[in-house]
Amino acid sequence: QSVLTQPPSVSAAPGQKVTISCSGSSSNIGNNYVSWYQQFPGTAPKLLIYKNNERPSGIPDRFSGSKSGTSATLGITGLQTGDEADYYCGTWDSSLSVWVFGGGTKLTVL
Amino acid sequence: EVLLLESGGGLVQPGGSLRLSCAASGFTFSNYAMGWVRQAPGKGLEWVSGISVSGGSTDYADSVKGRFSISRDNSKKMLYLQMNSLRAEDTAVYYCAKGGVSNGMDVWGQGTTVTVSS
Repeated sequence: QSVLTQPPSVSAAPGQKVTISCSGSSSNIGNNYVSWYQQFPGTAPKLLIYKNNERPSGIPDRFSGSKSGTSATLGITGLQTGDEADYYCGTWDSSLSVWVFGGGTKLTVL
Repeated sequence: EVLLLESGGGLVQPGGSLRLSCAASGFTFSNYAMGWVRQAPGKGLEWVSGISVSGGSTDYADSVKGRFSISRDNSKKMLYLQMNSLRAEDTAVYYCAKGGVSNGMDVWGQGTTVTVSS
C-alpha cells in the first residue's frame, strides 16, 4: 500500500485531455514539493514535473502539474499515442523521513 | 551530457551481499544529493535510500534499514549502495538518481538488475 494514492489506470482518446490525481497527507504532499515521472516499459523513469508545476527543459507544455492541499494533479493535453506510459507522483514525507512514490497510473490512449 | 551508469547487479543467494556502483558524468557531482530507487518485476517505483551532497546525511526506506548502506565518493564522482542480508523481496531493477527533496530526481541511470534467489 503506497503512502500516495493514484488511480491504477486512466484512459482517453487521442487529442483529448487527461488528469492523474495523487493524494497524500500533510506530512508529505501538504508540506513538500511534488514531482511527476513518466516511465515506458523496460526503461528508466523520466522527470516530467518538479516543484509541483515546473517543467524541466525539453518537456512539452502539454504536461502540467498542480497542487492543492494534500493532493496533486498531473494534466496532459493533446494526448498522443506516444504518451502511453506509467506515471508516478513522488514527494518527501517529513514524518517518515523517506521519499514516497504513488503506486503509479497506467495511461492508455484509446 | 549528464549521465549516470550503474553497475554491480547480478544473481546472489539469500543472505548474500552485493555492492552497487553508480558513475556520474556531465555535472558537478558534489553539488547534488543522490539516491537509489528500485522497481521489483511488474511493480511500481520504491525509493530505497538517499544521501546528502557531503555524504554526512543518509536516509533509508524501512524495508532496507539496517541492511543497506549508501555512500558516495565526490572525488571519484561515484555513488554506492552496499546491500547485505539480501532477501528474495530485494529482487528488482535498481536505479541511481540525481537530485532530492526540492527538485525531484531529474536524471536517472539505466538501472542494474539484482536477483536474489537460491
